[in-house]
Amino acid sequence: SQTIHQWPATLVQPVGSPLSLECTVEGTSNPNLYWYRQAAGRGLQLLFYSVGIGQISSEVPQNLSASRPQDRQFILSSKKLLLSDSGFYLCAWETGGSDTIYFGEGSWLTVV
Amino acid sequence: AQSVSQHNHHVILSEAASLELGCNYSYGGTVNLFWYVQYPGQHLQLLLKYFSGDPLVKGIKGFEAEFIKSKFSFNLRKPSVQWSDTAEYFCALRWGGSYIPTFGRGTSLIVHP
Repeated sequence: SQTIHQWPATLVQPVGSPLSLECTVEGTSNPNLYWYRQAAGRGLQLLFYSVGIGQISSEVPQNLSASRPQDRQFILSSKKLLLSDSGFYLCAWETGGSDTIYFGEGSWLTVV
Repeated sequence: AQSVSQHNHHVILSEAASLELGCNYSYGGTVNLFWYVQYPGQHLQLLLKYFSGDPLVKGIKGFEAEFIKSKFSFNLRKPSVQWSDTAEYFCALRWGGSYIPTFGRGTSLIVHP
């Protein structure tokens, strides 16, 4: 069966420090991959999505970036974190042409 | 741009009360509609979905939703809530021509025992 893993689960980082959140999917190939941010009262905001290796689309301009070095690996990064980057980040996947998105456990990021 | 609106941000009910959470969208074409639920400390998971056919959709745990095309709505209902239904509920839309789902802001439901 397919599973998705996301880490770290919790992260506290100082302003200006780099960020790397990693997500891997098992049990499927060529999934569509997504990064969402969930902020209280603001729902789920799509940050990036990818339909294949090296293919990244950004939905919201910001100081975050995403990469997909392998088929089932999706990384969210920042070179210099801002206080406003604090939040709950969710990785998600679906098989191309399917109808349901599956979410990872999420990562709590606190920028101090 | 297409959007999804959830009008109830916070709902507080007592056990056995009936529930209806509103979801409206702004797109006149073909849509796929979803409700996701996030229980405290757990993953977001699919509650139910509508693609075509019977506009009344049954989901897990006694939930159902009705697609009313003329009202651009996909409201979530449950006749009798339980304490374990305490969670955050998200409506989502996937519109024709895009595979990118758009989520509403979510509704926080608290059920008192």
